[in-house]
Amino acid sequence: EAQVTQNPRYLITVTGKKLTVTCSQNMNHEYMSWYRQDPGLGLRQIYYSMNVEVTDKGDVPEGYKVSRKEKRNFPLILESPSPNQTSLYFCASSWGRGIEQYFGPGTRLTVT
Amino acid sequence: GQQVMQIPQYQHVQEGEDFTTYCNSSTTLSNIQWYKQRPGGHPVFLIQLVKSGEVKKQKRLTFQFGEAKKNSSLHITATQTTDVGTYFCEYQTGANNLFFGTGTRLTVIP
Repeated sequence: EAQVTQNPRYLITVTGKKLTVTCSQNMNHEYMSWYRQDPGLGLRQIYYSMNVEVTDKGDVPEGYKVSRKEKRNFPLILESPSPNQTSLYFCASSWGRGIEQYFGPGTRLTVT
Repeated sequence: GQQVMQIPQYQHVQEGEDFTTYCNSSTTLSNIQWYKQRPGGHPVFLIQLVKSGEVKKQKRLTFQFGEAKKNSSLHITATQTTDVGTYFCEYQTGANNLFFGTGTRLTVIP
């Protein structure tokens, strides 16, 4: 089954404790991206990757890091999480930028 | 920054009534995509519009892209409770500028 998986689905952590949210897709998509969703603000792109070893900043990259060492994986790293990073995070993949994206189930992160 | 307004933010309709959400831009868009997100779910792709004046239909859903490629609409005829969710437009203004609208949350009253 074609899918995008994210782990964990829920995470409660404390300020400053490094965390990684994993994202994996099995569709051989070249393009992957991370979004955060906050009430009233819609989906805002954090980082995207056009291909392996190619990453770029989206709309709200501050406080986040990503890597793309393999085509299927695109982890999101929060080196020192802060409460304003409490949000719902989605990973997505597609054949290219600006075309149909497949979203993962989401990761709800709470930073206290 | 973002130049597209998505309206309305919320819409409550009686089951059977029609529903329309709009994305309006101050600049020409390269293309526009529409997504639906059910409560507690993730966005799911509905359609892509690329050509000026394009109209596409999916059963009760009609998608339009304006002649000037500055606005788009999603119209649902005779809403059903299964239509509940938030509808987002995703738009591209250039090669690297890709954004989502703020969404329209649809509530259908049985």
